[in-house]
Order: sequence, then C-alpha cells, then structure tokens
Amino acid sequence: AQKITQTQPGMFVQEKEAVTLDCTYDTSDPSYGLFWYKQPSSGEMIFLIYQGSYDQQNATEGRYSLNFQKARKSANLVISASQLGDSAMYFCAMREGGPGSSASKIIFGSGTRLSIRP
Amino acid sequence: DAGVIQSPRHEVTEMGQEVTLRCKPISGHNSLFWYRQTMMRGLELLIYFNNNVPIDDSGMPEDRFSAKMPNASFSTLKIQPSEPRDSAVYFCASSPGTPTWQFFGPGTRLTVL
Repeated sequence: AQKITQTQPGMFVQEKEAVTLDCTYDTSDPSYGLFWYKQPSSGEMIFLIYQGSYDQQNATEGRYSLNFQKARKSANLVISASQLGDSAMYFCAMREGGPGSSASKIIFGSGTRLSIRP
Repeated sequence: DAGVIQSPRHEVTEMGQEVTLRCKPISGHNSLFWYRQTMMRGLELLIYFNNNVPIDDSGMPEDRFSAKMPNASFSTLKIQPSEPRDSAVYFCASSPGTPTWQFFGPGTRLTVL
C-alpha cells in the first residue's frame, strides 16, 4: 500500500508567489517523521525540512515551512516568495518509528515537479 | 566536512558485465541506505544497513543484486550480471544514530547497454 501520496505531478508558479506542494501519508505508527527533499536538474537530493509527529509547532526553515495537519495526515510544503532557483523536483518522505528506532527506513512519494516562471 | 561520497559518478557497461558501486557514508553516521531512481519507478529503497548490519533488503530486485558493508566507512552495491533494465541513478545515503533525515550522495548514473 502506498504510504506517501503526492497528487501534483507538476506545477507552474509565477516568481515571487507562494506555492504549496501537497503530501498526504498513511501510517498506524504513532511515532513518525516527515521530510521534504528538493532534487534540482543536477540530480542531487537536498534535504529541506523535517517534522516529527509529536512536534507541537509546524517546522520552518527560511522560506520553507511545513503545514502539518496530523488529523488529516497531511504534510504540505509551503515555499514563500518563490525564486527561479526553486524550480526542481520535490519529494515528500516519511520515516516510521521514533528517532531512537534502529530500523528507520524512509519511504518517498512520487514527487512534484515545480517550475517557476519569471 | 565531506558529505556522502559515491564512485563512480557515471558508469557505462555492457549487458552481462559485473558492476560495483561504492559509497563512503558521512563519518559517525551508522545507518546507510541504497536507493535506485528511474523515471518509471521513482525513488526506490533497495537495502539499508544499521551499524553495518543489513536490516531490510526487501527492495533488492533480484539475486543479481547484492550489497555489503564491511565496515562503518564503506559499502558496495554489486550487480552481476547487469541488464539494460538496471540502468538508473543509484543513490547512497547515510544518517546518524538517531535518524531524523538522510544525507544523500551525488549518485551514480549507470547505463547498461
């Protein structure tokens, strides 16, 4: 069963606008972590932001924030004031098990290709 | 600090040949992961190690694939014999003992002709 769902295969956004990339997840584990990675055309995977299932506040890292809605099992990435360099593939991912878990693999969604228009 | 190091960065080989991909995780990280990325299947976890011990290899496609981690600073992914459908980008990633997120290497682009 697919545990991470990204329903937007591609998005176009005007430069300087905010953009929300959707991610929903499914798990029965009460302890889990949610991540977003960016993959530009050069191919490297860049970690952006992390949200733990017990974190009380939404995670923020510069222009990135994670809109965590636990009851809805969603973890949308919000990029404020988009820039041309934000054009890339974005992956949502989930780790089941708490931070101390020794068996902590991460499952990735299918990705959303974001294109920023000048 | 050096990140995750992978070699080679590009590999072109012929069907039937053995291919060995190499990875050096970030020093101090005790979890290591091998992923494969293709257009058709996206990013797939092949196998991951914790403290040099394979924890889950359910993603390894078939017996032609094998992975080892002889010590904390080195891992290999071997394909023998290689087939054209193995063409993909193979990523290695590592994370610290209490993993929150993984650090990815630059990947190895494998082309099997």
